[in-house]
Amino acid sequence: DAKTTQPTSMDCAEGRAANLPCNHSTISGNEYVYWYRQIHSQGPQYIIHGLKNNETNEMASLIITEDRKSSTLILPHATLRDTAVYYCIVRAYNQGGKLIFGQGTELSVKP
Amino acid sequence: DSGVTQTPKHLITATGQRVTLRCSPRSGDLSVYWYQQSLDQGLQFLIQYYNGEERAKGNILERFSAQQFPDLHSELNLSSLELGDSALYFCASSVNPGTGPSEQYFGPGTRLTVT
Repeated sequence: DAKTTQPTSMDCAEGRAANLPCNHSTISGNEYVYWYRQIHSQGPQYIIHGLKNNETNEMASLIITEDRKSSTLILPHATLRDTAVYYCIVRAYNQGGKLIFGQGTELSVKP
Repeated sequence: DSGVTQTPKHLITATGQRVTLRCSPRSGDLSVYWYQQSLDQGLQFLIQYYNGEERAKGNILERFSAQQFPDLHSELNLSSLELGDSALYFCASSVNPGTGPSEQYFGPGTRLTVT
């Protein structure tokens, strides 16, 4: 699976959009981009995934660049409850289910 | 609430002992995954079962073993425990075996403390 690079930490003001970047320059054509988050010692929570098109669900939007070498997770109106570690994971669709977690980005949403 | 349940929530035991962690997947999910999260190693994949069969293995120690039962619940057995086994152990489930895009749903975890 391709390696991902994320900033260690980010701050965001409550009510503003949180834009979390992820670099995955060695991504292959059959690899999906997944985002999970972990709120302090709770089980990780699935947010969204995509292959090459932009995706949106009730939690967030995922913007993948045309060359697929990077992506951005957007939380449109961050709240204090969005404070968490966000993990960007790249996984091939035919490589089994295991998720390889990196260090993630610690997002702090401040009032 | 993800629909995945894990018991017990906390476990404190001594070195050399053996413990069993239990996981019930979401209704309809056939795959179960086990992950370990320690302070120095982060979240690490241990093992996956799909419909009762071992599907994938990660960095799981030989002292650890797992199984998935006909009712699809899974147990992770940890034996000859060492101080370094203290960690959060998460179980996750998904509908398919990991072929094709699919999300995993994680349980609340079991916090194991070895003294």
